[in-house]
Amino acid sequence: AQSVSQHNHHVILSEAASLELGCNYSYGGTVNLFWYVQYPGQHLQLLLKYFSGDPLVKGIKGFEAEFIKSKFSFNLRKPSVQWSDTAEYFCAVNDNTNSGKSTFGDGTTLTVKP
Amino acid sequence: DTEVTQTPKHLVMGMTNKKSLKCEQHMGHRAMYWYKQKAKKPPELMFVYSYEKLSINESVPSRFSPECPNSSLLNLHLHALQPEDSALYLCASSQTLKKTGGYTFGSGTRLTVV
Repeated sequence: AQSVSQHNHHVILSEAASLELGCNYSYGGTVNLFWYVQYPGQHLQLLLKYFSGDPLVKGIKGFEAEFIKSKFSFNLRKPSVQWSDTAEYFCAVNDNTNSGKSTFGDGTTLTVKP
Repeated sequence: DTEVTQTPKHLVMGMTNKKSLKCEQHMGHRAMYWYKQKAKKPPELMFVYSYEKLSINESVPSRFSPECPNSSLLNLHLHALQPEDSALYLCASSQTLKKTGGYTFGSGTRLTVV
């Protein structure tokens, strides 16, 4: 069974700092990768996704992620965070077995101090 | 606002009650999902429906009973729940099982079992 590991449980940054959240997965085959964000009191929203092609994908709100197949990683980055980026971030993986099933990492809580 | 609508937003029920959660989407998606999320934890898959047929049941206790009456609606019937079933219940949809493109989540129903 596949698993998803997010190394950082809680990250605290000041505004304008750069962000990188780690995500590693265990599945060895073809995967689809996602980052979701959950702002306080709101629903989960898709930030970005990777299916194939350019391993550097850009999402909403200035976020980007890089798929490195050799490292089984899909790290999320943002060059300059804002207070409004305070949220829970989840990495998720579909193992492309047509099940539609996504496996989520444990999440990273990002707190941005104004 | 999300394109997946869940009602009610909050529900308090006793252990002997019967209640239902409702989920509706009008995006033409043919795959719908129920997830359960405890505080500060990732969503855990419960059920997957594909073209109105149950595709995956993640060994969920029978006190949870899903129903998909048509391509736009997904219900979760609850009966004789336990306090540990208190959680945020999330509905999600995707284009199909194969073409997920990432989920669109509803805002969830926050369930408290007393």
